[in-house]
Amino acid sequence: DQQVKQNSPSLSVQEGRISILNCDYTNSMFDYFLWYKKYPAEGPTFLISISSIKDKNEDGRFTVFLNKSAKHLSLHIVPSQPGDSAVYFCAASSQGAQKLVFGQGTRLTINP
Amino acid sequence: DAGITQSPRHKVTETGTPVTLRCHQTENHRYMYWYRQDPGHGLRLIHYSYGVKDTDKGEVSDGYSVSRSKTEDFLLTLESATSSQTSVYFCAISVGRGSNQPQHFGDGTRLSIL
Repeated sequence: DQQVKQNSPSLSVQEGRISILNCDYTNSMFDYFLWYKKYPAEGPTFLISISSIKDKNEDGRFTVFLNKSAKHLSLHIVPSQPGDSAVYFCAASSQGAQKLVFGQGTRLTINP
Repeated sequence: DAGITQSPRHKVTETGTPVTLRCHQTENHRYMYWYRQDPGHGLRLIHYSYGVKDTDKGEVSDGYSVSRSKTEDFLLTLESATSSQTSVYFCAISVGRGSNQPQHFGDGTRLSIL
């Protein structure tokens, strides 16, 4: 049972445009959501997070949106840069659990 | 830099042999985790630790054991490796206090079981 799902295995975006990565979850107890970025042969790197008491969190070019009623979150990258080409994972946890559940990942490619 | 070192970085071994992977942290964080990453599955939690000698199972713990005799070291052991355990293994720590904290990852160990 996949509690966190990223339904797009890959996404290709033109440099300078907006990249939108999507993630859906099924567990209504999740209250903390994160996005990680991963380059080949490296570990995942924490990008941005959001608590369920918010619906938006912004950090520079990265914005995460949370729609609790739809159990959906998205990561917007504006403007997209070649260095953003990587695999992106969304993850979620529930109050006090100290454990993360990850999605399958989406490979983002930024084309010049 | 979260101060996490995984060793070895690469290992090739044969089915049925024991394998131990090591995760070392330099900052005395309480929570440590072992994940495996496989195509189509993202990262899946194997075991985690919430203190010295305090460990618990994750989503895919069968065939794996862990030990934490010191705060800084978290060991993952495959008692008798199988080809299905070929994967990339990541160690992580949870930084900060309280719940709702991000985890930070090491650079991984690529394990091939022939």
